[in-house]
Amino acid sequence: EPEVTQTPSHQVTQMGQEVILRCVPISNHLYFYWYRQILGQKVEFLVSFYNNEISEKSEIFDDQFSVERPDGSNFTLKIRSTKLEDSAMYFCASSSQGGMNEQFFGPGTRLTVL
Amino acid sequence: AQSVTQLGSHVSVSEGALVLLRCNYSSSVPPYLFWYVQYPNQGLQLLLKYTTGATLVKGINGFEAEFKKSETSFHLTKPSAHMSDAAEYFCAVITGGYNKLIFGAGTRLAVHP
Repeated sequence: EPEVTQTPSHQVTQMGQEVILRCVPISNHLYFYWYRQILGQKVEFLVSFYNNEISEKSEIFDDQFSVERPDGSNFTLKIRSTKLEDSAMYFCASSSQGGMNEQFFGPGTRLTVL
Repeated sequence: AQSVTQLGSHVSVSEGALVLLRCNYSSSVPPYLFWYVQYPNQGLQLLLKYTTGATLVKGINGFEAEFKKSETSFHLTKPSAHMSDAAEYFCAVITGGYNKLIFGAGTRLAVHP
């Protein structure tokens, strides 16, 4: 069964460092998403991506964040200069058609900023 | 603005007992509603969804949920809990033309023998 994969499963970094979180969406999907969950809080939408551009982003997704689909399979989230408050679980998701269609989630990357 | 409220961050039931996880939403337009489950160290898996049509929707693993517009609710139920149902459950909504899921805070379900 096709699934969304994410690497690494856990990333530890120093404050101010750049991190890149990687995702491989399901191969025939066209819509891609990043969400995050700070420990003990809700899962929050960060950004959606379609047709090689951002279709929507939240207030959280400021200039420190960027997304890219560098090739036909990967979808990445970059945080340019990490802050302590960026520590969270980051989930990648993909869907075939967007809208109300099911979003398939990866297992997440736990980011710890020291 | 859309929002989702899940009553009860922790619910504990005995094996074989009814499971009821509560979800209320706020939306100015007809919502699409989802329940996701998260097992330890795994991603979010779709249990069921409501878009249009029949208000009682059935999902995987014996779960079902009923959309009640008058109560703005989408509670998740299962007649008989199993030990393997222990997980965290998230209610979520999509409204309007947006793709983004708005999640509730989650309910951790514990099932004891």
